[in-house]
Amino acid sequence: DAKTTQPPSMDCAEGRAANLPCNHSTISGNEYVYWYRQIHSQGPQYIIHGLKNNETNEMASLIITEDRKSSTLILPHATLRDTAVYYCIVGVLNDYKLSFGAGTTVTVRA
Amino acid sequence: DTAVSQTPKYLVTQMGNDKSIKCEQNLGHDTMYWYKQDSKKFLKIMFSYNNKELIINETVPNRFSPKSPDKAHLNLHINSLELGDSAVYFCASSQDLQKNTEAFFGQGTRLTVV
Repeated sequence: DAKTTQPPSMDCAEGRAANLPCNHSTISGNEYVYWYRQIHSQGPQYIIHGLKNNETNEMASLIITEDRKSSTLILPHATLRDTAVYYCIVGVLNDYKLSFGAGTTVTVRA
Repeated sequence: DTAVSQTPKYLVTQMGNDKSIKCEQNLGHDTMYWYKQDSKKFLKIMFSYNNKELIINETVPNRFSPKSPDKAHLNLHINSLELGDSAVYFCASSQDLQKNTEAFFGQGTRLTVV
C-alpha cells in the first residue's frame, strides 16, 4: 500500500550527482517524505526527511516541489558505496510504521 | 557499539519447529518494530511496539508472537514454522515518532525453513 512511485532502477557515474525522483501525488498535508536506502545484505538506513522545505544533511539533499506531489533525492557526489536500493516513503510522524515500496535500485559505476 | 542488534544472523530450521529471534536496542528508544523482507525484496511491517505495548499487528498469523520484556528488547517467537516463513526479518527502533522520525534497523536475520 505504498503511496509513492519510483523508477525501478537507474545508473549513475561515480563522482557525479545522482538525482532520484519520487512521485507522491496523494500526499496529505501532514505527511512527511522520508528517504531510506538498503545496501545489499544490510538493514535499511535512514537518509533524510522533509515536510515542505528543502532539506540537506551530510548524506544528501531533498528537494520537494511546491505542490508536494513529487520530490528528488540528490546524492551530490555518488561513490561506489552508494550502490543500493533507495526507498521514498510518505507517512505521518505518529504512524508507528514505515510503508516501504519497491524502491529504486541505484547502481554507481566507476 | 551496535545500536540495534539481532540474533541469530542466520537460522536454518525444519518445518514445524518453533524458533525465536532476539532483538535489542541500546538507543533508549520507545518504539520497536519487526519487518519481514520476502524473496521479492518487499519490506513489510509486522509489528510495532511502543513502551512495551503492541501498537500495530499487520494481519500476521498468530504463529508469530512478539514479546517485549522491556523497552530495549523485542523478541519474535514463531511456532510451527512453514516454508513460506523463509525470509529476512529486520528489527528496528525509533524514538517516539512524535519526537524523532529516524528509525534504526538491525542487520537482519535470514530465516530458512526446509
